Amino acid sequence: DAKTTQPNSMESNEEEPVHLPCNHSTISGTDYIHWYRQLPSQGPEYVIHGLTSNVNNRMASLAIAEDRKSSTLILHRATLRDAAVYYCILRSGDGGSQGNLIFGKGTKLSVKP
Amino acid sequence: DTAVSQTPKYLVTQMGNDKSIKCEQNLGHDTMYWYKQDSKKFLKIMFSYNNKELIINETVPNRFSPKSPDKAHLNLHINSLELGDSAVYFCASSPGGRSPLNYNEQFFGPGTRLTVL
Repeated sequence: DAKTTQPNSMESNEEEPVHLPCNHSTISGTDYIHWYRQLPSQGPEYVIHGLTSNVNNRMASLAIAEDRKSSTLILHRATLRDAAVYYCILRSGDGGSQGNLIFGKGTKLSVKP
Repeated sequence: DTAVSQTPKYLVTQMGNDKSIKCEQNLGHDTMYWYKQDSKKFLKIMFSYNNKELIINETVPNRFSPKSPDKAHLNLHINSLELGDSAVYFCASSPGGRSPLNYNEQFFGPGTRLTVL
């Protein structure tokens, strides 16, 4: 399984931008970069995903390095509700079990008022 | 409207018992999953299942068995429960089987906290 490396924890102030890094130096050409987050006492929820180009949606932005060996999840204005564990996951586009989500330790984001 | 629901939310039982956790999705998805999150918060895939294929994580004991009465349900049955089975179990679903995976977002249920005494 392709692996990712994330900081164990990060802190942010409310209403400030947050940049959550992820390293995935062994990424293959068919791997998509997915981000999920898990709020306390809840199931994980999808945040965003991308392949090569930067992506934006209502929740966040995903900046992908040109060599695809790293990416950054950007929360433009952190709110208290964004406090969660954020998981960066490589997901194969080849199908079958290779497409399953393999969760790492993630980054625990704390947001201070 | 609850997309992926699980029952019960909490389950406390004795070692050696057999128990089931139910999962239902009303999203019309073809693929469903079971994950286990242990006390250290590691989230691991146990099974993925669609109409045609059951994929089992090789580390899952055969005491665990998924049962799907129809496409909208994937229940988890556990035989001879052990202390180490205590965890939070999450059900999830996603739209397709194998392709196109690039937008195959998974939707998770709220989890079932299983405590084995």
